[in-house]
Amino acid sequence: AQTVTQSQPEMSVQEAETVTLSCTYDTSESDYYLFWYKQPPSRQMILVIRQEAYKQQNATENRFSVNFQKAAKSFSLKISDSQLGDAAMYFCAYRETSGSRLTFGEGTQLTVNP
Amino acid sequence: NAGVMQNPRHLVRRRGQEARLRCSPMKGHSHVYWYRQLPEEGLKFMVYLQKENIIDESGMPKERFSAEFPKEGPSILRIQQVVRGDSAAYFCASSPLKSYEQYFGPGTRLTVT
Repeated sequence: AQTVTQSQPEMSVQEAETVTLSCTYDTSESDYYLFWYKQPPSRQMILVIRQEAYKQQNATENRFSVNFQKAAKSFSLKISDSQLGDAAMYFCAYRETSGSRLTFGEGTQLTVNP
Repeated sequence: NAGVMQNPRHLVRRRGQEARLRCSPMKGHSHVYWYRQLPEEGLKFMVYLQKENIIDESGMPKERFSAEFPKEGPSILRIQQVVRGDSAAYFCASSPLKSYEQYFGPGTRLTVT
C-alpha cells in the first residue's frame, strides 16, 4: 500500500524568509500524482501545488515550488518570501494515475513569525 | 461556479443517534469522495462514488457507515448508532470526469456526546 510520510510535525519561519517542508512516499507505481494541500484554521483544504510524476520539471506556483526527486521518492515544498497568511497545516498527498483516492501524510504545522 | 458545499458545518449527536452528512459537488462534477480527519491526524479516504454507483468503499468501516450519491440531489454519508470515536471532521471532495484534481468542501465537524 502507498504511504506518505511527513517527518516534520511542526516548522516555523520568519516572515519574508524561505522554508522547506519535507515529504517522502512509498510506491511501486511509475506514474502518479503528488500534491500539497494547505489547511488553515478554517479547516478548508486548499490545493497549493501539484506535480505529475512523468514530468521532470519541478512545479512552481508563484511563491510555492517543489523539489521532486522521483528516484528518492521525495517531494518537498518550498515557500519563498513567507507571509503571515501562509501559517497553516500543510499536507502532502499522493494519487495513483489509475486510482481515485488521495493518500495523505500526517501534516506539518507551519508557524510564520512576524 | 460555486465550490463544493457541505452541510451541516457542525453536527452534534448523542451516542446511538444517526448522523447524516450532505455534500453537493461542484457544478459539472460527477465524482464524489469522502474523507475523515480524526483530531491531530491527516485525512483518510473512506469512499468514492459516481452518480448512483459506489466505485470504491475500501476505506469505509464495515458497520454503521454507508454512502450514496443519487441521480438527483447531494451525496449523503450516513453514520448509524454513532459512538464517541466517530467524532471527527468529514470532508467531501469532487472532481469532473477524467481529472486527477479533487476540490474539497469546508467539511462537517461531527461531535458525539
